[in-house]
Amino acid sequence: SQKIEQNSEALNIQEGKTATLTCNYTNYSPAYLQWYRQDPGRGPVFLLLIRENEKEKRKERLKVTFDTTLKQSLFHITASQPADSATYLCALDVPISSGSARQLTFGSGTQLTVLP
Amino acid sequence: DTAVSQTPKYLVTQMGNDKSIKCEQNLGHDTMYWYKQDSKKFLKIMFSYNNKELIINETVPNRFSPKSPDKAHLNLHINSLELGDSAVYFCASRYRAGGSETQYFGPGTRLLVL
Repeated sequence: SQKIEQNSEALNIQEGKTATLTCNYTNYSPAYLQWYRQDPGRGPVFLLLIRENEKEKRKERLKVTFDTTLKQSLFHITASQPADSATYLCALDVPISSGSARQLTFGSGTQLTVLP
Repeated sequence: DTAVSQTPKYLVTQMGNDKSIKCEQNLGHDTMYWYKQDSKKFLKIMFSYNNKELIINETVPNRFSPKSPDKAHLNLHINSLELGDSAVYFCASRYRAGGSETQYFGPGTRLLVL
């Protein structure tokens, strides 16, 4: 069965440093991978999507890489700020068994704390 | 302006009761989902509807029954609530079932079964 692992349950870093979060998957060939941010008491919010034929995607201080050979995505936040503290979820976008519909399968998340 | 809304936000109830959670999206999306997030923050898909048709029905006790009266609404009814049903339930929507578009999540319904 498909398996998605986010290596760190929790990650603490100092303000101004680059945070790097890891997402690994097995038994999968996803066409897309997405990253979401979840704050306490709220629903996940989309951050970035990367396609299988893309190596890297950037949005402001965020960068995502996607290595389909290693079956791994890295999520970087540069110049981190305390406001970046949240849980970050990776999600694989895969077709369901019937028809053309797709579903997201989520990792368990990494709780990032940026210390001032 | 809320894109995906859920009611109620909090639900505290006794074991054995029946309860419903409602979800509405005003984004014009075709596809809606129910997810369960347990205490370890793991987000697991339960159901998905595309244009009022059930397309994803994961291994979920049949005490859980989704219903989509129209493509903007997806409700979740839970019969004979059990302690293990305590979790946060998120509704989400997506433009199309087959696209790569992002999902928009509601604020969640925190269910506590006593």
